Amino acid sequence: QAVLTQPPSVSGAPGQRVTISCTGSSSNIGAPYDVHWYKQLPQTAPQLLINGNINRPSGVPDRLSDSKSGTTASLAITGLQAEDEADYYCQSYDSSLSGWVFGGGTKLTVL
Amino acid sequence: QVQLQESGPGLVKPSQTLSLSCAVSGVSITSTTYFWSWIRQPAGKGLEWIGRLHTRESTNYNPSLKSRVTISVDTSRNHFTLDLTSVTAADTALYYCAAYPGATGSFDYWGQGILVTVSS
Repeated sequence: QAVLTQPPSVSGAPGQRVTISCTGSSSNIGAPYDVHWYKQLPQTAPQLLINGNINRPSGVPDRLSDSKSGTTASLAITGLQAEDEADYYCQSYDSSLSGWVFGGGTKLTVL
Repeated sequence: QVQLQESGPGLVKPSQTLSLSCAVSGVSITSTTYFWSWIRQPAGKGLEWIGRLHTRESTNYNPSLKSRVTISVDTSRNHFTLDLTSVTAADTALYYCAAYPGATGSFDYWGQGILVTVSS
């Protein structure tokens, strides 16, 4: 059971906006520790998508944005494109575990 | 640019020790900038952080694996290793080595991953 909770799946039509939530607790997201987001394509390693404390890595489109409120972080993708179809993971630090924790992952399907 | 490459056996027998190596290139493993980690992913499941190492700080492990895990460094070969003892089928997974800058805590660099199957 992942420490951070994500919806198993989300979907949207091309051009639409989708959001992926990541819910934690007072020992991680709510502490507050930064939340980072990764994209994973089939048979490939995850790649950093958004770093929660600095600007997004080069090459990541500004259609993607992140936000945080209390113990929940969110990744928003606007202008959905076929290339956005992938698994998405959130990650943060947990003070009670003294280590890094991930969400269970969300599969984004572009209809 | 930091590059990481995992290596090791793809098949381990139950109760034995899983040993993997991660070769680091593009930066010295003694760099004070980066922390070096192992992360695993069972087939069809999410990511699990195993532990992290920094050559100037103590090594930290996931509490759920701490009793079975050792992460160490070989500075002469610029690589770090993972040893996981008493493995079971539940340890079958894709194992990644990854690196994060201490200033950000985000895993900026990943190896391609190595599949390890625990089976007799």
